[in-house]
Amino acid sequence: QQPVQSPQAVILREGEDAVINCSSSKALYSVHWYRQKHGEAPVFLMILLKGGEQKGHEKISASFNEKKQQSSLYLTASQLSYSGTYFCGTVSKGAGSYQLTFGKGTKLSVIP
Amino acid sequence: DSGVTQTPKHLITATGQRVTLRCSPRSGDLSVYWYQQSLDQGLQFLIQYYNGEERAKGNILERFSAQQFPDLHSELNLSSLELGDSALYFCASSVGGIYSNTEAFFGQGTRLTVV
Repeated sequence: QQPVQSPQAVILREGEDAVINCSSSKALYSVHWYRQKHGEAPVFLMILLKGGEQKGHEKISASFNEKKQQSSLYLTASQLSYSGTYFCGTVSKGAGSYQLTFGKGTKLSVIP
Repeated sequence: DSGVTQTPKHLITATGQRVTLRCSPRSGDLSVYWYQQSLDQGLQFLIQYYNGEERAKGNILERFSAQQFPDLHSELNLSSLELGDSALYFCASSVGGIYSNTEAFFGQGTRLTVV
């Protein structure tokens, strides 16, 4: 089942902060965050693991609440280059195997 | 450049036809994932292979099939194509399986247009 992302879209001015949320109805093994710019392939940002370990981007932080099956991506002091669609991908076990399922994305636009 | 190569980049075909999309993973990556991206559905997971074996299946139609060959490249076969199959198809690869928590690298995608 697809995780739910909110908001669907957000517009920021340079320097402002944003939070993107991702929630799932399934028990999660990990959460992945990717950013996709228009016409390009998704690019890895971060992986959040159960137990609090994080692997990823230096300037972007995220949290993972295992009990609530929720994750949030924090974008601080936004830059024009942050514009794009952010996807969360949740890893959960289904039908005997793990699956990585993405949400529908959050479109972030940073304006001068 | 992610190191994942997908061919062709663009494909236009008629309804009812069959096409094959090809993916070469990054050197050393054993896992290959296929995703379908349409405007209103985001990234839909189709199928995953690890070292030649199918490991996970998502929302893949029976008209679609895939395989991973001994040299680790993968092919996605789409048959009896319908207008609704028009989409961007991404391949991604990673070192381990999805449970190993390694990042996935995406290819540039194949844009399929069914007319």
